[in-house]
Amino acid sequence: AQRVTQPEKLLSVFKGAPVELKCNYSYSGSPELFWYVQYSRQRLQLLLRHISRESIKGFTADLNKGETSFHLKKPFAQEEDSAMYYCALRLEYGNKLVFGAGTILRVKS
Amino acid sequence: DAGVIQSPRHEVTEMGQEVTLRCKPISGHDYLFWYRQTMMRGLELLIYFNNNVPIDDSGMPEDRFSAKMPNASFSTLKIQPSEPRDSAVYFCASSLAGPPYEQYFGPGTRLTVT
Repeated sequence: AQRVTQPEKLLSVFKGAPVELKCNYSYSGSPELFWYVQYSRQRLQLLLRHISRESIKGFTADLNKGETSFHLKKPFAQEEDSAMYYCALRLEYGNKLVFGAGTILRVKS
Repeated sequence: DAGVIQSPRHEVTEMGQEVTLRCKPISGHDYLFWYRQTMMRGLELLIYFNNNVPIDDSGMPEDRFSAKMPNASFSTLKIQPSEPRDSAVYFCASSLAGPPYEQYFGPGTRLTVT
């Protein structure tokens, strides 16, 4: 069965510290992975997708098929990064996304 | 475009009452999704539609939940009768068919069942 695992419900770091939000997936087909973010009082929105290989707001994520992981990283956390982050897996056929349980990132000053 | 529109934004009701949540997707989008968000389970897909047709309702918790999409610009999620464990934030999202597969979310409806 398809599954996305985010092992940490809450990750608390100090401003300027590196951040790594973990995401592992289980899927026998060819995966497409996304990170979505929900800032306080805002809508859930797409942060980045693995296909684009881009850096958004200083965040990057690399798909590691050997480890079935798609961890989200940022070298220096900022207070405005505090939000709920969801990792999502798109299956090969259709538009359905399977979401992880989410990780709350709290950046302390 | 105002994005995905949901109403009401907040709903408080008593156990046993019928609750109807509404969603207007982005014009031109082919897919519409209903999700439920709770602290315990995160974001769960309840049901989704393609061109107004329900494709996968395996996430609907039980027969008390039903969803319809009578036309391309409107969908409802109904809970009858409601129970306290249904308290959650319900999101609607829409997307185009095909790449880049980005889903656009509404602001959500916070449902409290007392």
